[in-house]
Amino acid sequence: QSALTQPASVSGSPGQSITISCTGTSRDVGSYHLVSWYQHHPGKAPKLMIYEGSKRPSGVSNRFSGSKSGNTASLTISGLQAEDEADYYCCSYAGSSTVFGGGTKLTVL
Amino acid sequence: QVQLQESGPGLVKPSRTLSLTCAVSGDSIRSNNWWSWVRQPPGKGLEWIGEIYHSGSTNYNPSLKSRVTISVDNSKNQFSLKLTSVTAADTAVYYCARNDYGDSRFDYWGQGTLVTVSS
Repeated sequence: QSALTQPASVSGSPGQSITISCTGTSRDVGSYHLVSWYQHHPGKAPKLMIYEGSKRPSGVSNRFSGSKSGNTASLTISGLQAEDEADYYCCSYAGSSTVFGGGTKLTVL
Repeated sequence: QVQLQESGPGLVKPSRTLSLTCAVSGDSIRSNNWWSWVRQPPGKGLEWIGEIYHSGSTNYNPSLKSRVTISVDNSKNQFSLKLTSVTAADTAVYYCARNDYGDSRFDYWGQGTLVTVSS
């Protein structure tokens, strides 16, 4: 299985919105509504931000939203804040397996 | 509150076996979840290693399957990872995580433990 494809980096100014894409295949993202997104600050454990493509766990800000179209999932962060600066990873169920994206570094300018 | 804690040697010699244990508290390992291992090599992204259900059923990353064994100890509420024939490429921070309902939704993670492969 190959890693899902994410842009290496994205950036935005405080208050702006950014979108991170995650492209897979018909064997993973395209076949299941089981895409999740993680925020990862260096030295800390990854944090679940979105699951089942668009659902937010309790306690996650509604500034974070997810969607999916075909083999591509997306994470949108609106109203960017300094604390959003982190690495973001998508993840997909792939039939008795799991695959992560390569990660995207978000820089808040 | 569910908590996971990894433990094991921080240094392993090349060609040896890497062994880690994840102790779970705040949830029964017999719950309807899968228990997983994920790693992150320095400067690289997250990589799913594999997972286990309390029944002993396992799923492994195809690229690591020949070298990985994940086991569960229901009596101690913990699960373990063994990775054989390690090389420098296996140097990474190793995380254990709960895979909620087996849907590739990792809702609780350990803090991670750095394992370095070096002689």
